Amino acid sequence: SQQGEEDPQALSIQEGENATMNCSYKTSINNLQWYRQNSGRGLVHLILIRSNEREKHSGRLRVTLDTSKKSSSLLITASRAADTASYFCATDGRYGGFKTIFGAGTRLFVKA
Amino acid sequence: EPEVTQTPSHQVTQMGQEVILRCVPISNHLYFYWYRQILGQKVEFLVSFYNNEISEKSEIFDDQFSVERPDGSNFTLKIRSTKLEDSAMYFCASSDGLETQYFGPGTRLLVL
Repeated sequence: SQQGEEDPQALSIQEGENATMNCSYKTSINNLQWYRQNSGRGLVHLILIRSNEREKHSGRLRVTLDTSKKSSSLLITASRAADTASYFCATDGRYGGFKTIFGAGTRLFVKA
Repeated sequence: EPEVTQTPSHQVTQMGQEVILRCVPISNHLYFYWYRQILGQKVEFLVSFYNNEISEKSEIFDDQFSVERPDGSNFTLKIRSTKLEDSAMYFCASSDGLETQYFGPGTRLLVL
């Protein structure tokens, strides 16, 4: 099945440090997205990277995509306590768009 | 900024009862989705809806589930006879195309 799997499962860092989360998936994709979820809350879309893109930036976020390795990474630079959340990668459905497949997520804890 | 809204935020029901979860997608969006997240687990796709019909559904979306767009603004998920294992956070999402899906804050359903 087409599935994003993040690693590590949990990450604890000090405020100001960079956080890197990785995601692997199994089949071809049209795009890959990263979402954030604060505990018990809804999903916030962070960034989308298309299959023909290798790197994308948005503020303190940097996403890379390696389609040959079927992997992506999310880098959060200069982390803040407010970045504490779960981060999910998600891939589009096999035929594009009708569903998003989520991984299990990385729980990030940023200590002040 | 337009957003997806969901009501109620929390719902407690007895096993066997029917529940209706409501969503108001972003107004110019044409694609609508329901996902669920059992506590501590990943977000799972349930169903997508386009042009007043189901586009795709997962194996979770059995005969106990139904979706409807009763008017021009609401999108509902009905569970006919709830089971204990239906307890989860249910997310509605909408999109204007086949890329970014915007998620609502979720409805936390507890079946006793």
